[in-house]
Parts: sequence; C-alpha cells; structure tokens
Amino acid sequence: AQSVTQLDSQVPVFEEAPVELRCNYSSSVSVYLFWYVQYPNQGLQLLLKYLSGSTLVKGINGFEAEFNKSQTSFHLRKPSVHISDTAEYFCAVSDSGGYQKVTFGTGTKLQVIP
Amino acid sequence: GAVVSQHPSWVICKSGTSVKIECRSLDFQATTMFWYRQFPKQSLMLMATSNEGSKATYEQGVEKDKFLINHASLTLSTLTVTSAHPEDSSFYICSARVGNMNTEAFFGQGTRLTVV
Repeated sequence: AQSVTQLDSQVPVFEEAPVELRCNYSSSVSVYLFWYVQYPNQGLQLLLKYLSGSTLVKGINGFEAEFNKSQTSFHLRKPSVHISDTAEYFCAVSDSGGYQKVTFGTGTKLQVIP
Repeated sequence: GAVVSQHPSWVICKSGTSVKIECRSLDFQATTMFWYRQFPKQSLMLMATSNEGSKATYEQGVEKDKFLINHASLTLSTLTVTSAHPEDSSFYICSARVGNMNTEAFFGQGTRLTVV
C-alpha cells in the first residue's frame, strides 16, 4: 500500500516570492509521482509527473519538482508565484507496475498575497 | 491533452431520490475510468474502478448498491447515487485512462451534489 503526506495544509506567500510545497510518500514498490492543481469547484489539472529518468521534473505554469528517493520526497517549487497560482495542490502516487489506482495527499492550499 | 467531461456540474436533489452523473471521454477511448469523492477541505478518495464491459471494483467501505456504476461503452461511465441522503453531498470527480497503455489519467471537472 502507498501513502502520501502533505504536512502543510495552507501556505501563504507574497506575490513574486518563491514557494515550496512539501510532499513525502511511502511505498514498498517503485512509484510514479504526480502534482495536481485544483481551482475552486473544478476538477484536477496535472502540473507535472515523475515516471523515470531525471529526478528534476519541470511542469506547466513554471512549476518544477524534484524526486528524492532516499528521502522519499517529491517537493513542488516555483521561483516566483502569481496571484493566479492561488489554488489547492495535491501530491499523488501510484505504483509503477499498474498505473491504475492513484493515492492522493490531503492537499495544500496555496494562498498568494498581493 | 485528452478531455474528460462530466455532467452535470451541479445538482441538487431531494433526500430519497436518485441522481445520475455522467463521465465522458470526448476524444479518446477509455477502457478504465475511476470515480472519486471529495468532501470539503479533504482529499480525493477513490470510490471505484470501472472497466468497460465488466463490473466495477469498489474500494473498501463503499456501498456498491448505493453507488451504482455502469461503464457500457468506451467513452461513457455513469455513477448513480441511489436513495441519496444529505451525507452523500459531496464533490464527485471521475478520471479516465487512455486505452490500456500505462499513461496518466485525465480528470473531469467534477460534479457538486447537494442533497436537501
């Protein structure tokens, strides 16, 4: 079984400041890792994913994440946030064998302050 | 990317009635679709996995007789909440996987169900 921990339920940050949203996972097998963004009353949009290869993954809207196997982490970063980045962010994991069930973290609400 | 459409986006129903939510893959064939439920300020919880032409696989604790899932075609899966009660009020989201490939799942925009 897999699990995902997002320790920060809310992260306030000033506009144009950098941000890091933390994600740790646990799994007994190799995994795929994802970050999704959810705007109010909308579905999920994939920001980026790690399947294999380079541990630094670049996604849409200027976001990037780094897979750290030894620390079982997949933190999301952006060097300069905008007001439009205000949303809920979910880290998720699935096992690399099946790519079927995706387990989500509890989410981190990013609040960008003007 | 591939588009998944859910209908309706919002629905209000009376307690005791049933409501059907549709999930369609608009530009690809989805052999597998997933249904999630999200309570306010919580994460998404997988309810069931739906494979075209076969019975859905429900997660532990999800009542299959209450949440009826039908995946009759490669582009449509439906979730019917039977005899809805206020505690069923939630945000329901579906996702669909492209064919049988090990690729990402694409999410619908969600359906907000309110039972009064």
